[in-house]
Amino acid sequence: DADVTQTPRNRITKTGKRIMLECSQTKGHDRMYWYRQDPGLGLRLIYYSFDVKDINKGEISDGYSVSRQAQAKFSLSLESAIPNQTALYFCATSAGNTIYFGEGSWLTVV
Amino acid sequence: GENVEQHPSTLSVQEGDSAVIKCTYSDSASNYFPWYKQELGKGPQLIIDIRSNVGEKKDQRIAVTLNKTAKHFSLHITETQPEDSAVYFCAARRSPNFGNEKLTFGTGTRLTIIP
Repeated sequence: DADVTQTPRNRITKTGKRIMLECSQTKGHDRMYWYRQDPGLGLRLIYYSFDVKDINKGEISDGYSVSRQAQAKFSLSLESAIPNQTALYFCATSAGNTIYFGEGSWLTVV
Repeated sequence: GENVEQHPSTLSVQEGDSAVIKCTYSDSASNYFPWYKQELGKGPQLIIDIRSNVGEKKDQRIAVTLNKTAKHFSLHITETQPEDSAVYFCAARRSPNFGNEKLTFGTGTRLTIIP
């Protein structure tokens, strides 16, 4: 089983709909992240959290929100999805220098 | 803030040959440089990293070199194998002791090994 699990792995949603991507981890790490990957743009940080009571905006947080429900769970929400939010989304955890990524969630907004 | 440029965006090499991916960074204070490998359908995975107090680091067939004066670092893969086919990302940040939220990624290189 993966140490960082994302659901759903694939989702197609309509413009204006609310969508939530969920992430859970079994590594016991305090630090969790949400990244977005776009072709030619690499990985960009959306939000990060150092513990349950700590939420921080990343490079591209506009249009997104997050919730850290427990040490092991960190969800990403798009309150009103728009087509340019079509991307591959990664949840990740870290301890020390290494970032451990989930397998990604493909989101298509039509 | 930090800006990391990565080249080439795509690279095809014959199996057994070497592959080199190059990155440049803008922040002269950066001193931690990891490389991540993303296989098809998976998330990126750390394969090697280097700190600014060394110029080169090797791990079997992969090596990373760092030129702080020129602000560039490179990934070298020797004796390439089909399983090396993946997307590779370089990254940079100021200190290994800083959080990973400060890590800036390059735009990625899709490496294809031709059998």
